[in-house]
Amino acid sequence: ETGVTQSPTHLIKTRGQQVTLRCSSQSGHNTVSWYQQALGQGPQFIFQYYREEENGRGNFPPRFSGLQFPNYSSELNVNALELDDSALYLCASSLTRGTGIFSYEQYFGPGTRLTVT
Amino acid sequence: SQQGEEDPQALSIQEGENATMNCSYKTSINNLQWYRQNSGRGLVHLILIRSNEREKHSGRLRVTLDTSKKSSSLLITASRAADTASYFCATDIQGGSEKLVFGKGTKLTVNP
Repeated sequence: ETGVTQSPTHLIKTRGQQVTLRCSSQSGHNTVSWYQQALGQGPQFIFQYYREEENGRGNFPPRFSGLQFPNYSSELNVNALELDDSALYLCASSLTRGTGIFSYEQYFGPGTRLTVT
Repeated sequence: SQQGEEDPQALSIQEGENATMNCSYKTSINNLQWYRQNSGRGLVHLILIRSNEREKHSGRLRVTLDTSKKSSSLLITASRAADTASYFCATDIQGGSEKLVFGKGTKLTVNP
């Protein structure tokens, strides 16, 4: 198992509500990426945070937002939840050694299973 | 949209047999990685192969990369029941960001 932790494990929300998911990165890692994985699909990149700033974003609407804290932990916030937001949300941490020098190997947490009803 | 496509979508073999999974992708890459996922949980990194490499080994795993065909294969030798999982290839797009783009995966079942 990696040292990446996520909370909560499972979550059930109602359409229109807001949700916050949390991730603690592996010790020594300074970069956090978030992915959405729908049932039967591969993970889809949402965004990445490095030095507390968004550093790349996938094809997700602005109601998906995030934060990275000085200790490199991160939050994913989703506003105005829709039924299609039901998925496994994965956080992955990695080490960026300098500007443009990324460690491509990512260490994934166990995920948060979000169900929107 | 998915960058990679794994083939087959599902594979069922007997313990001790070899399992081969293939991945095709669309755009030029810096590297290609294979990940494993057990029962909808987190992904585990298996192996990374760079665009200038053609073959790489790690234990019972052998990965090949053919950049001219934009394809890769993952071979698991002497499979075990514990190898039962979904396997994904992931690419980082050359010239793009550091994000990983995953395929839909191959679901491998190894029967004891």
